[in-house]
Amino acid sequence: ETGVTQSPTHLIKTRGQQVTLRCSSQSGHNTVSWYQQALGQGPQFIFQYYREEENGRGNFPPRFSGLQFPNYSSELNVNALELDDSALYLCASSLAGGGARDTQYFGPGTRLTVL
Amino acid sequence: QKEVEQDPGPLSVPEGAIVSLNCTYSNSAFQYFMWYRQYSRKGPELLMYTYSSGNKEDGRFTAQVDKSSKYISLFIRDSQPSDSATYLCAMRENTGNQFYFGTGTSLTVIP
Repeated sequence: ETGVTQSPTHLIKTRGQQVTLRCSSQSGHNTVSWYQQALGQGPQFIFQYYREEENGRGNFPPRFSGLQFPNYSSELNVNALELDDSALYLCASSLAGGGARDTQYFGPGTRLTVL
Repeated sequence: QKEVEQDPGPLSVPEGAIVSLNCTYSNSAFQYFMWYRQYSRKGPELLMYTYSSGNKEDGRFTAQVDKSSKYISLFIRDSQPSDSATYLCAMRENTGNQFYFGTGTSLTVIP
């Protein structure tokens, strides 16, 4: 069974730039959620994708957007980067359908630094 | 008030001690409760999963949920230095798709 993978591992950008982060789901999972984890904080829900459509969104502005592809991999795009966007970005995959199968399994994360 | 409250610690215990980690929450609709372990600069790793109230045991780990008090706990018996990590509680409503996390408790087990 292949776990959740994310790329790149680290990324440094400057304020105002755009960034794309990538995630491959765990084998057999059809749902991807993205989280932002600031230093010393718990993960904050950005949004979830199911069947290539956004299926819920947290309190993040529209410059945070995403895609899910037919193979269930996903991208997180952030436009007009701000210094506060510096964080660990986590992707979590799950199998929608309720109960224990909805449990989310996390990738190692992408650490984004905005200068 | 945050949806989920968790004491950030840090917590430092000697090897072999029993560790108790706790979270409180305000949303009575939460039905699914999870504990994750996160090593430094890594993604969270699922440790325990519980539905509704009750206890669940897995090896040295025991998770407890008290919905009447809106309080969940994770107990680690015979703690090991390899247990040194940040422990995150997370929870979700029955029909919701958003997981709500605590801020995490940093644990160090001293050999």
